[in-house]
Amino acid sequence: QVTLKESGPVLVKPTETLTLTCTVSGFSLSNARMGVSWIRQPPGKALEWLAHIFSNDEKSSNTSLKSRLTISKDTSKSQVVLTMTNLDPMDTATYYCARINHFVVGVYAFDIWGQGTVVTVSS
Amino acid sequence: SYELTQPPSVSVSPGQTASITCSGDKLGDKYVYWYQQKPGQSPVLVIFQDDKRPSGIPERFSGSNSGNTATLTISGTQAMDEADYYCQTWDSRTVVFGGGTKLTVL
Repeated sequence: QVTLKESGPVLVKPTETLTLTCTVSGFSLSNARMGVSWIRQPPGKALEWLAHIFSNDEKSSNTSLKSRLTISKDTSKSQVVLTMTNLDPMDTATYYCARINHFVVGVYAFDIWGQGTVVTVSS
Repeated sequence: SYELTQPPSVSVSPGQTASITCSGDKLGDKYVYWYQQKPGQSPVLVIFQDDKRPSGIPERFSGSNSGNTATLTISGTQAMDEADYYCQTWDSRTVVFGGGTKLTVL
C-alpha cells in the first residue's frame, strides 16, 4: 500500500523558516517512474503547486515562490523535505505532498496524496 | 505564466450529466488531469492524460481535451459526486492548477 505522510510544525511565526517532511512508504524515491511534489491550499482557496523532485534529483519550484523554497530528498529515509523561508500569514494553508507517477512518456499525474498538514503563520 | 480557468460553480440534478470546463491557451496540446476534493479530504485523481480513468474511478467520469478547452463530464451524477474539482496541467516542467469548480448536486 502506497502512503505519504506530511509532518512539521503546526504554528510558525512570521519571518521564520518552515520545514516540512514527507515520509513515503510502498514505493521507493529511487524509482525512475516516481517523484514527489508539495502542494498547498489556503483555507477556502484553490490548490497551489509549490515544488517537486524526481528520482534523478531533477527539481522545479513555483516561480512566484522560487527564492523562498528548497526541496530535497533522502532516499534512504524515504523522505522529501521542503523548506520555505520568510513565512508570512498568507502562507497559512494545508500543505500536501503527493506522488508523481510517470504513467507513460509525457504523462505525470499526482496519483496518491498525503492527508495534509495544517500550518498556521501567526505571531 | 500559464493559466487555467474554471467556472467557480456548476449545479446539476441527480442522474443528469455534469460538465466542468477548464480553459487555457492551446490546452489541447497539453495533457490535462482532474482531481476531486471533498470537504476535509485530500484531492483524488479522477482523470489523467485527458481521458483516462485510474483504477477504482467509476465509469461515469470521463474527460476530453481539444483546442483551448478540457472538459470533465460526469454522467448520471450522484449525490456523492458533490465536491470541488480541479484541472491541472504541466507547462515547461512546472505545474499549473485551475481555480477549482464547486459541483453542487441538487
